[in-house]
Amino acid sequence: NAGVTQTPKFQVLKTGQSMTLQCAQDMNHNSMYWYRQDPGMGLRLIYYSASEGTTDKGEVPNGYNVSRLNKREFSLRLESAAPSQTSVYFCASSDMDRGLLGNQPQHFGDGTRLSIL
Amino acid sequence: GDSVTQMEGPVTLSEEAFLTINCTYTATGYPSLFWYVQYPGEGLQLLLKATKADDKGSNKGFEATYRKETTSFHLEKGSVQVSDSAVYFCALSEGAGSYQLTFGKGTKLSVIP
Repeated sequence: NAGVTQTPKFQVLKTGQSMTLQCAQDMNHNSMYWYRQDPGMGLRLIYYSASEGTTDKGEVPNGYNVSRLNKREFSLRLESAAPSQTSVYFCASSDMDRGLLGNQPQHFGDGTRLSIL
Repeated sequence: GDSVTQMEGPVTLSEEAFLTINCTYTATGYPSLFWYVQYPGEGLQLLLKATKADDKGSNKGFEATYRKETTSFHLEKGSVQVSDSAVYFCALSEGAGSYQLTFGKGTKLSVIP
């Protein structure tokens, strides 16, 4: 019962360094998402991928890039990390093939805690 | 745009007390509404959902009713347990096929024995 798996769980970077956060899901879901969670801000959508081969910007995409490598994997890249990107990052997936039944819930990973000094 | 407003936390209750966490929303269409729960050190888990007006979502003793007239989706539980201590998020998604969730800021609940 892996669900959504994120790696790494923790990371400390220096300003200007680059890094890729990895996410994989084993539920055969079409849609995948990257969020950041900051104190007092709830979760904000960075990017999402409605299906394999497509990606779209969310609410806070600046400073990030994404790759939907295949149906299972969706990575988030910080090209030049900044202290403002210190946050907890969550990956999620959902099954949009069942859209006729209403909006489907999203399944979340356990998060990556990223600190940028 | 869409928005979700939750009551400010933290909320501290004694075991077996009644819980209400208020949630109101602003949306242009007919959204689906969700409550997610986040236990310490973990990701969010779906707690319950409702997809149309007057629907009641329920799970693990928690309930919430979709009230279109008051644009609300308040979370309730009749008797909380220490294991319910977590952060609770209200969220909405606009219409069938929408890919985006709009979250409230979260309400931290602590239940003391």
